[in-house]
Amino acid sequence: ETGVTQSPTHLIKTRGQQVTLRCSSQSGHNTVSWYQQALGQGPQFIFQYYREEENGRGNFPPRFSGLQFPNYSSELNVNALELDDSALYLCASSLLTGSLGETQYFGPGTRLLVL
Amino acid sequence: AQTVTQSQPEMSVQEAETVTLSCTYDTSESNYYLFWYKQPPSRQMILVIRQEAYKQQNATENRFSVNFQKAAKSFSLKISDSQLGDTAMYFCAFMKLTNAGNNRKLIWGLGTSLAVNP
Repeated sequence: ETGVTQSPTHLIKTRGQQVTLRCSSQSGHNTVSWYQQALGQGPQFIFQYYREEENGRGNFPPRFSGLQFPNYSSELNVNALELDDSALYLCASSLLTGSLGETQYFGPGTRLLVL
Repeated sequence: AQTVTQSQPEMSVQEAETVTLSCTYDTSESNYYLFWYKQPPSRQMILVIRQEAYKQQNATENRFSVNFQKAAKSFSLKISDSQLGDTAMYFCAFMKLTNAGNNRKLIWGLGTSLAVNP
């Protein structure tokens, strides 16, 4: 069984640029959630993708967008980067079924630095 | 809105001893999951333990156990026989249960930094 993977591990961008982060979900999972973790903070929910559609969104502006592909992998895109976007971006995959809860399993994260 | 509070920013414990990390949460929901995740310096968030709110029995995973007090909205993590590899940031997280099709996001505390000393 393959775990959650993310790429790249580190990234440096300048203000105003655009960035794409990638996530491959764990085998058998159908849902991907993205979180932003600023230094010294707990993660903040960005959005979740289920069956290739956005399935809920946190308090992030529209310049944060995403995709989920038929193989359930996902991308997080951030346009017009700002200094405050510097953070660790975590991807989590899970199996969403019925009315039961789910457990989210995380990848190693992508550290983004915006200069 | 749900909130999660971890009141201990830092803790330390001697190797082989027992330590308890505290977590309280606020919610009006009756069906939810609670989690403890650890985040070592490698940054990867690793699931430690999960508790379903409808279960009265406290969850255990090897050296890790929880004390779940639903009425008090308290969810503490006990680590027995602490090991050097337990050194990490520990996060408590809450998930409201909803029907499939509605996102089940994790709501996180600020974390407790645990140092296990030799």
